[in-house]
Amino acid sequence: QVQLVESGGGVVQPGRSLRLSCAASGFSFSSYGMHWVRQAPGKGLEWVAIIWNDGSNKYYADSVKGRFTISRDNSNNMLYLQMNSLRAEDTAVYYCARDSARGLVEMGTIRGFYFDYWGQGTLVTVSS
Amino acid sequence: DIQMTQSPSSVSASVGDRVTITCRASQDISSWFAWYQQKPGKAPKLLIYTASTLQSGVPSRFSGSGSGTDFTLTISSLQPEDFAIYYCQQAYSFPLTFGGGTKVEIK
Repeated sequence: QVQLVESGGGVVQPGRSLRLSCAASGFSFSSYGMHWVRQAPGKGLEWVAIIWNDGSNKYYADSVKGRFTISRDNSNNMLYLQMNSLRAEDTAVYYCARDSARGLVEMGTIRGFYFDYWGQGTLVTVSS
Repeated sequence: DIQMTQSPSSVSASVGDRVTITCRASQDISSWFAWYQQKPGKAPKLLIYTASTLQSGVPSRFSGSGSGTDFTLTISSLQPEDFAIYYCQQAYSFPLTFGGGTKVEIK
């Protein structure tokens, strides 16, 4: 069965860095795009980043662009999120999620990125 | 960015009720649209994608409809395990965006 297990969360001071990890199992990891999605305490869901199955493309939310980097290690079935220059507003539960691979090319653009499996999440608290 | 607006923000209903939640996109997203269910302390769960396709394992009492800018999630007969928060998501373009959520509460 598909399993995604996040780790690396914790309490960090503003301006510092943290790296989150997501261990994937139960599916062919290198065949799927992967996402990070976050949820601030008591708030809704915010998509953070996506990485293509082969790592060839990455996209980010404007709120994290230039500060966060998504990466993956297909040989070890691992997904990462390097978070630099952390701010209080980055405080959230961070989920890794598998892309459903339901996308289709429509007029030269891929559409249809859905999140079909999620990890349990890891809490990142940015506070002095 | 495409804004997703859900309504209502909360709904009180009884077991057996029919419940309808709506979501509006700020621009035409065709059928590139999904619904998720989230229970307290748990990760979200994909219910419906491409506006009306039921994800494997999701009960048939859930259904989705709509295209363009207006979408609907219907629970035909609310069950105790359906009390949760429901989120919509556009899958048309980056950044992927979610609605603010609709909490389905026990009446």
